[in-house]
Parts: sequence; C-alpha cells; structure tokens
Amino acid sequence: KQEVTQIPAALSVPEGENLVLNCSFTDSAIYNLQWFRQDPGKGLTSLLLIQSSQREQTSGRLNASLDKSSGRSTLYIAASQPGDSATYLCAGNTGRRALTFGSGTRLQVQP
Amino acid sequence: GAVVSQHPSRVICKSGTSVKIECRSLDFQATTMFWYRQFPKQSLMLMATSNEGSKATYEQGVEKDKFLINHASLTLSTLTVTSAHPEDSSFYICSARARNLRGGIGSDTQYFGPGTRLTVL
Repeated sequence: KQEVTQIPAALSVPEGENLVLNCSFTDSAIYNLQWFRQDPGKGLTSLLLIQSSQREQTSGRLNASLDKSSGRSTLYIAASQPGDSATYLCAGNTGRRALTFGSGTRLQVQP
Repeated sequence: GAVVSQHPSRVICKSGTSVKIECRSLDFQATTMFWYRQFPKQSLMLMATSNEGSKATYEQGVEKDKFLINHASLTLSTLTVTSAHPEDSSFYICSARARNLRGGIGSDTQYFGPGTRLTVL
C-alpha cells in the first residue's frame, strides 16, 4: 500500500526566500506524482504533474522533481511571495489509479 | 482545460437527513470518478472509486450503505450521505480521471472538483 509523507508539516519564511518542500513515497511503482495547492476551506489547485518517465517539471517559479529510485519528490518555490501561503499537498498515482495524498505542508510567507 | 464541478458547494443539514452531492465532468468523459473526504487539518482520504455503469468500490472502513454512490453516465457521479450524523461533517471532494489524447497508462490525469462542505447539525 502506497504511503506518502511530507516534511515539514509547517514552514514559515520571509518573503523572497527560496524554499523546498519534501515528499516521500513508499511504492516506487508510481505512474505519476502531482503537487497541489489548497487554500483554507477551498478545493485543490493542481500545480505540477510529473510522469514516471520524467524527472522534473517547471511552471513559473515552481519546479518539481521526481526520483523514483529513492521514493522522493521535491517542490522548489523560488522567490516566495505572501500569496504563496497555502497548504501544499503531494499525491502519488499508482496502479489503483486513485491518488494517495500526503498530509501536506502548511506554508506561511511573511511579508 | 478539463473542468469538474460539484454541487452544492456547501450544505447544512439536520442529523438523520440524507444529502446528495453531484460531481460532473463538464467538457470530457470520465469513466472513473473518485470520492475523497477531508477532515479539518487533515489530508484527503479516498472513500470510493466509481466506475460508470458498475458498482462503486469502497475503501476499508467506509460504509457502502451509508455513502451511496451512483455513476449513471460518463459525466456524472453522485454521492448520497444517508442518515447523516454530525461526525459525517467534512469536506467532500470528487475527481474525474481523464485519459489524454496520447493515451497510455502513464498519462492518466485526475481533475478535481471544488469540493462540498457538509455540516450536519
């Protein structure tokens, strides 16, 4: 059974800092891995999706990497802004097709 | 892009009543839809997998007689919470799986609805 872990659980940084969010998964037979953003009381916004054949994806200030062999993915946020404050979730897609979510990292970017 | 809608976005009901939540894929066909539940400050947990025209597959610990799922068409799945209790209060999110034009197992993508917040008094 796939298990997904996210570290740290919470993070507070000053505006402008570059930061890395970590995600680890137990089943390396992963089809893809997604990173989502969730604002308080809201649904999910998909940020990046990395297919199993890919090693990274980039969108604007966001870069996500995937290392299947070590069971790890990272989300890099460059030049953080207060508007980046949210909970970031990673989720792995394995053979069952449903996503297994991590517990999330709550990010607070201080102005 | 692919859009998934949910209705209602928020519902408050009395204990013992039933509540139906709709999940629609607006511009694509979804052979599979998933229902997740999120309790406050927790992550999303899969409740059930819904395939068009067949019975839903429920995760361990999810009562199928309490959470009725119907996937009658390729664009609509419904979740009915029967005899709701305060402990059923949660954020319910659906997703629809779309296979992109290139096909292939590795290209599967899920699109999420905006969620439904259920409060049972």
